[in-house]
Formats: sequence, structure tokens, C-alpha cells
Amino acid sequence: AQSVTQLDSQVPVFEEAPVELRCNYSSSVSVYLFWYVQYPNQGLQLLLKYLSGSTLVKGINGFEAEFNKSQTSFHLRKPSVHISDTAEYFCAVSPLSGGYNKLIFGAGTRLAVHP
Amino acid sequence: DAGVTQSPTHLIKTRGQQVTLRCSPKSGHDTVSWYQQALGQGPQFIFQYYEEEERQRGNFPDRFSGHQFPNYSSELNVNALLLGDSALYLCASSLRGTGNYNEQFFGPGTRLTVL
Repeated sequence: AQSVTQLDSQVPVFEEAPVELRCNYSSSVSVYLFWYVQYPNQGLQLLLKYLSGSTLVKGINGFEAEFNKSQTSFHLRKPSVHISDTAEYFCAVSPLSGGYNKLIFGAGTRLAVHP
Repeated sequence: DAGVTQSPTHLIKTRGQQVTLRCSPKSGHDTVSWYQQALGQGPQFIFQYYEEEERQRGNFPDRFSGHQFPNYSSELNVNALLLGDSALYLCASSLRGTGNYNEQFFGPGTRLTVL
């Protein structure tokens, strides 16, 4: 079985400051890793994904994440946030399963960017 | 190119009733997954349909059932509604390929309120 823990339920930050949203996972099998963003009253949008290869992955809107296998972590970072980054962020894993990939999500981190 | 669409947008039901939610996948996609997102929580995987069959199922009771049609659209049915079924129901579509990873694209969701 897999589980995802997002260590902070809320992260307040000032505009143009850096931010890190933390994610740890547990799995007995190999998994793919993802970060999704959800704006109010909308569905989920994929920010970035780690499938294999370089452990530092870059996504949309200036976000990046680093996969650390030994610490089973996949933290999301952005060097300078904007007001428009205010949203709910979800870390997720998907076990390798021959194409029938379900997503297991964390509880989410609410990023609030203040002017 | 239309993305994933869901109907209705909002729905109010009373305990004990039955509900049907609908999803049309992104053009070219053949696999549909359903997720339940309770307020303040991350989405939870309900089940996934491919070639009109349920291929994977999460930890949900038999009151939750689904169907996929030949045009790849899908329905989620919930019988004997409980107050705890109140949630945002998200549909995601993907194209089943030969590899292990098939990106899921999410719809805007259906907000179900059970009174």
C-alpha cells in the first residue's frame, strides 16, 4: 500500500519570497511522484512529475521539486512566489502498474501568498 | 479541443437517495478514473474504467458503482446516500498506452451535497 504525508496544512508567505512545500511518501513498490495544484472551484492541474532520471524536475509556473529516494521525499519549491500562486497544492504517488495508474494523494497544503 | 467535462456542476440530494454523475473524457482518451474529495482533504481514488470494465478499485463500498460507455464517457452511481458522501467528485481521463505512465487530466468536478 502507499501513503502520502504533506507535512504542512497551511503555508503563509509574502509575495516574492521563496517557498517550500514538503511531501513524504511510503510505498512497498516503485512509484511515480506528482504535484498538482487546485485553484478555488476548479479541478486539479498537473504542476510537475517525476518518472525517472534526474531527481530535480521542473514544472510549470516556475515550480520545481526534488526526489530524494533515501528520505522518501518529494518537496516542492519556488524561488519567488506571486499572489496568483495562492491555491491548494497536492502531492501524489502512483504505483507502477502496467498502465492502470491510480493516484494516491496527500491531504494538501494551502499556500497563501500575502502582499 | 474540449478537456474533461462533468455534469452536473452542483447537486443536492437527501439521505437514502441515489445519484448519477457523468463524465466525458478529453478527446482521444479511453480511460476514466473517479475520485472523491471531501472538504479539506485530498482526492481519494474510487475506481478506474477501461474498455467498459472496472480495472482498479479503491476502498469504497459497493454503494459506489460505475459504468463506461462505448464512446468512453462514464457514469458514477451512488446508492443509499449518506451525509458523509457529500464531497467534490472528480473525473480524470487518460490514454492507456504501452508504458507504465499515462497522464491523467482532471475535470472541474461535481459538488454533491447530501442533506
